[in-house]
Amino acid sequence: SQKIEQNSEALNIQEGKTATLTCNYTNYSPAYLQWYRQDPGRGPVFLLLIRENEKEKRKERLKVTFDTTLKQSLFHITASQPADSATYLCALVGTGGFKTIFGAGTRLFVKA
Amino acid sequence: GAGVSQSPSNKVTEKGKDVELRCDPISGHTALYWYRQSLGQGLEFLIYFQGNSAPDKSGLPSDRFSAERTGGSVSTLTIQRTQQEDSAVYLCASSLLPAGGLYNEQFFGPGTRLTVL
Repeated sequence: SQKIEQNSEALNIQEGKTATLTCNYTNYSPAYLQWYRQDPGRGPVFLLLIRENEKEKRKERLKVTFDTTLKQSLFHITASQPADSATYLCALVGTGGFKTIFGAGTRLFVKA
Repeated sequence: GAGVSQSPSNKVTEKGKDVELRCDPISGHTALYWYRQSLGQGLEFLIYFQGNSAPDKSGLPSDRFSAERTGGSVSTLTIQRTQQEDSAVYLCASSLLPAGGLYNEQFFGPGTRLTVL
């Protein structure tokens, strides 16, 4: 069955450092891979989308890589800030463009 | 403009009762999704509606769950004969339909926290 794995342990880093989160998937060939941010008590907020034929995508301090051979995406936040503390969800979208499968998320804590 | 809204924000019910959860999508968004998020878990896809096409119900966990979308806008998720394992946050999202083969991001509501006693 389709499966998405994200680090279940929280990631603790110091302000100013680069945070790197990992998303691995199996039994799936997504057309798109997305990253969302979720704060406690709120719905997820879309951050970035990368297509299967793209290797890397950047947006301000965020960078996403997508390796369809390794079936892995890395999500980087450079110059991290305490306000970046949240849960980050990886999500896959199939070729139909609708049904979306989410990972359980990785909790990030950025210490001042 | 207004985002996706959901009501109620919290719902406590007794086992065996029926509940209805409501979602108001962003105006003009023709795709609507329902997800369930249990504590510490990722989002579990339940159902999506796309325009006037038949909905994809493949994620509904049992026949106690049903959803409808009237007039292509507001959607209601109904859970009949609720069980304790139905306790979770139910999230709704909406998006524009893909255009030109490009996927459109989903905009999520704040969710409804359902507690079944």
